[in-house]
Amino acid sequence: RKEVEQDPGPFNVPEGATVAFNCTYSNSASQSFFWYRQDCRKEPKLLMSVYSSGNEDGRFTAQLNRASQYISLLIRDSKLSDSATYLCVVFGGSQGNLIFGKGTKLSVKP
Amino acid sequence: SAVISQKPSRDICQRGTSLTIQCQVDSQVTMMFWYRQQPGQSLTLIATANQGSEATYESGFVIDKFPISRPNLTFSTLTVSNMSPEDSSIYLCSAGDVYGYTFGSGTRLTVV
Repeated sequence: RKEVEQDPGPFNVPEGATVAFNCTYSNSASQSFFWYRQDCRKEPKLLMSVYSSGNEDGRFTAQLNRASQYISLLIRDSKLSDSATYLCVVFGGSQGNLIFGKGTKLSVKP
Repeated sequence: SAVISQKPSRDICQRGTSLTIQCQVDSQVTMMFWYRQQPGQSLTLIATANQGSEATYESGFVIDKFPISRPNLTFSTLTVSNMSPEDSSIYLCSAGDVYGYTFGSGTRLTVV
């Protein structure tokens, strides 16, 4: 089983749609969880951290279920500018590093 | 969060040569890492850059091929040695802590 697995993409949605990304991780001792966004030919940028209590930042909601080792990201009212690759990221590699999922590509169409 | 300056942003190199990539952080950070991202793939950790000691390499990456320096808590270099076309990739440095990491803007390397 891969350390971090994400939904296969791409997701093609119209503007205004709600889209959900799912992710599972294999190491139950993982400490912190994040969603990063990566635009084409750019470096990854932190979108939001993920907490067990769930957290919301505007149109974005992230959830963590430690028992199921499952992380989700919900984007409401999608904008054209949301088009990017979304990376599920877990902190807790052997070197204290981040472990990345392969990413899910989102394309929001007019 | 830390701001990282990475250079060069891109380079085209002849096979058999070496390229050194630099990352400068605007604050002292304990952890710095070097990643590689091949086309269409996610990020793969190359090594952890340790200040004052040898870098710690992940499986499949060796010091002779990817020597790393970390002379202080704000600076690190990665050298891609004896390059071949298979080394064509984006190389990224990263710094941070358990609360989140930031990345340099990446070096897009093409080996011809």
